[in-house]
Amino acid sequence: NAGVMQNPRHLVRRRGQEARLRCSPMKGHSHVYWYRQLPEEGLKFMVYLQKENIIDESGMPKERFSAEFPKEGPSILRIQQVVRGDSAAYFCASSSFDGGFTDTQYFGPGTRLTVL
Amino acid sequence: KQEVTQIPAALSVPEGENLVLNCSFTDSAIYNLQWFRQDPGKGLTSLLLIQSSQREQTSGRLNASLDKSSGRSTLYIAASQPGDSATYLCAVRKAGNMLTFGGGTRLMVKP
Repeated sequence: NAGVMQNPRHLVRRRGQEARLRCSPMKGHSHVYWYRQLPEEGLKFMVYLQKENIIDESGMPKERFSAEFPKEGPSILRIQQVVRGDSAAYFCASSSFDGGFTDTQYFGPGTRLTVL
Repeated sequence: KQEVTQIPAALSVPEGENLVLNCSFTDSAIYNLQWFRQDPGKGLTSLLLIQSSQREQTSGRLNASLDKSSGRSTLYIAASQPGDSATYLCAVRKAGNMLTFGGGTRLMVKP
């Protein structure tokens, strides 16, 4: 059972370009979460999605950032018109969410975005 | 708003020492608390998950405790080894599913 897959692992963009980060959850998981880790800072929640639905986007910047989790295919985190401050590691996690207290999120290896 | 704090931010110990990492959180209405390990440039590996109704969990040389009423958790590592060198993160989960992370403790175990 493959774990959470993220690609690319490293992404370099120039200011003003678009960045697309992909996440394939673990098999059987229908809940996806995106977190961002800025340099020398902790991980911060960005968005929580189920298939075709955004459940909670309270941690997502209001502009330039969007996320989707289509019925088929991976979840995509899209950053338009990137700026240097977007340079960070972006982690995806997935869970089966049985609704219980033992629900565990499994993390992918992350995508490290560098904006030149 | 939930805030999670980890002390110390960095720790260096000689091999073989037993050590304790601390995590505190401001809102005790949590579902569970997880301890993770993060190696440089890598993702997160879940070490232990403690449900809100539990007091502790053990896995090998690791023991995590939870005192929900006081908003504290500790991760105890016995007989530390150089391979334990990593950043240790605690995260709490409330209803709504998102995890709130502490800033981490960077552990260095010297041979």
